[in-house]
Amino acid sequence: AQSVTQPDIHITVSEGASLELRCNYSYGATPYLFWYVQSPGQGLQLLLKYFSGDTLVQGIKGFEAEFKRSQSSFNLRKPSVHWSDAAEYFCVLSGGYNKLIFGAGTRLAVHP
Amino acid sequence: NAGVTQTPKFQVLKTGQSMTLQCAQDMNHEYMSWYRQDPGMGLRLIHYSVGAGITDQGEVPNGYNVSRSTTEDFPLRLLSAAPSQTSVYFCASSYSSAGSNQPQHFGDGTRLSIL
Repeated sequence: AQSVTQPDIHITVSEGASLELRCNYSYGATPYLFWYVQSPGQGLQLLLKYFSGDTLVQGIKGFEAEFKRSQSSFNLRKPSVHWSDAAEYFCVLSGGYNKLIFGAGTRLAVHP
Repeated sequence: NAGVTQTPKFQVLKTGQSMTLQCAQDMNHEYMSWYRQDPGMGLRLIHYSVGAGITDQGEVPNGYNVSRSTTEDFPLRLLSAAPSQTSVYFCASSYSSAGSNQPQHFGDGTRLSIL
């Protein structure tokens, strides 16, 4: 079955600290994977995407993600978090025709 | 360029009332879709359309109707609102189907409460 798991519901980090948000997927072939961010009261904004090729993907706002096929993971990272990064982050799998599968989301809080 | 525009932003309904959530995009996207977002569940697909005149059901279609008479507009109709439909609704669009590598463009959402 196709699925996306984000194990962490809430994460709190201090401003300036590094960040890693975990994402695991289940899919029978090479998936298309996305990370979206949702600020409070807003829609979803694309951070980055993985289709094929380089397993380390660079995105906007200083984010990057690494695709690891052996671990079925696509973790999102940022070396230094800013207070404006506080939001909810969704890992999304595009695995078949007309079907996006969302993880449950990870809510990030940033302490000053 | 407005992108994806959803109206209204907030709505409160009584059980049994009907209403239409509007969605319009100005990017000439063929693919449009509606999602609902509930706490701890991410977004779930309600209905989608791959072009004018073509719609299909997603994961949670019950209680909702859609139509696509133009490329730009994709309204979502609640025929008889139920408290279980209290949610945040997002419209999204892309150049092609969500099964491809095209990222989705999302509206800002409609927050709907059913009393």
